[in-house]
Amino acid sequence: QKEVEQNSGPLSVPEGAIASLNCTYSDRGSQSFFWYRQYSGKSPELIMSIYSNGDKEDGRFTAQLNKASQYVSLLIRDSQPSDSATYLCAVVAGTGAGSYQLTFGKGTKLSVIP
Amino acid sequence: EAQVTQNPRYLITVTGKKLTVTCSQNMNHEYMSWYRQDPGLGLRQIYYSMNVEVTDKGDVPEGYKVSRKEKRNFPLILESPSPNQTSLYFCASSLFSASYEQYFGPGTRLTVT
Repeated sequence: QKEVEQNSGPLSVPEGAIASLNCTYSDRGSQSFFWYRQYSGKSPELIMSIYSNGDKEDGRFTAQLNKASQYVSLLIRDSQPSDSATYLCAVVAGTGAGSYQLTFGKGTKLSVIP
Repeated sequence: EAQVTQNPRYLITVTGKKLTVTCSQNMNHEYMSWYRQDPGLGLRQIYYSMNVEVTDKGDVPEGYKVSRKEKRNFPLILESPSPNQTSLYFCASSLFSASYEQYFGPGTRLTVT
């Protein structure tokens, strides 16, 4: 069973600070990594994807991937109250049968305090 | 508007009464899947479909059935619902496979008494 681990939180940060969300995964052959944001009572929506080691920046969001350490993180700069949500890490690995398995972590709840 | 739709959004039913939750996407996506989300357990995949007439089990398929007779539709069938199937269900679709961005429907909250 492929595992994706996240700290459940809640992670509380003051408005304007950097929020750092972390995720580890068990399958060393994992190929694709995603961060989804889920507001309470809503469906998940993709905010970042990353496929190779290093950093990927998109606006206030930066995804970081370290395949050797099996670790992926999401940094949110200048955090806003509207960033308060649960952030889901998702990892894709091949199943060896020509298809792929997508596994979600249980999510980290982020609270940005005004 | 590109979207995934699910119906019904809310459903309360009794043990053993067959039900179907519909899912439809208008993006011509090949890959569709069903998830359930439970507190403390996160999102878990029930079934997925790579294309028409091609379906496979996810992590928690017991008690569920699916079919994919048309590319746009992927209904979830509970033939004899039980209280442990009370959950929030999401349908999702993506262009080709699980390795692409998943577009989620709005969710169906199911309560089985």
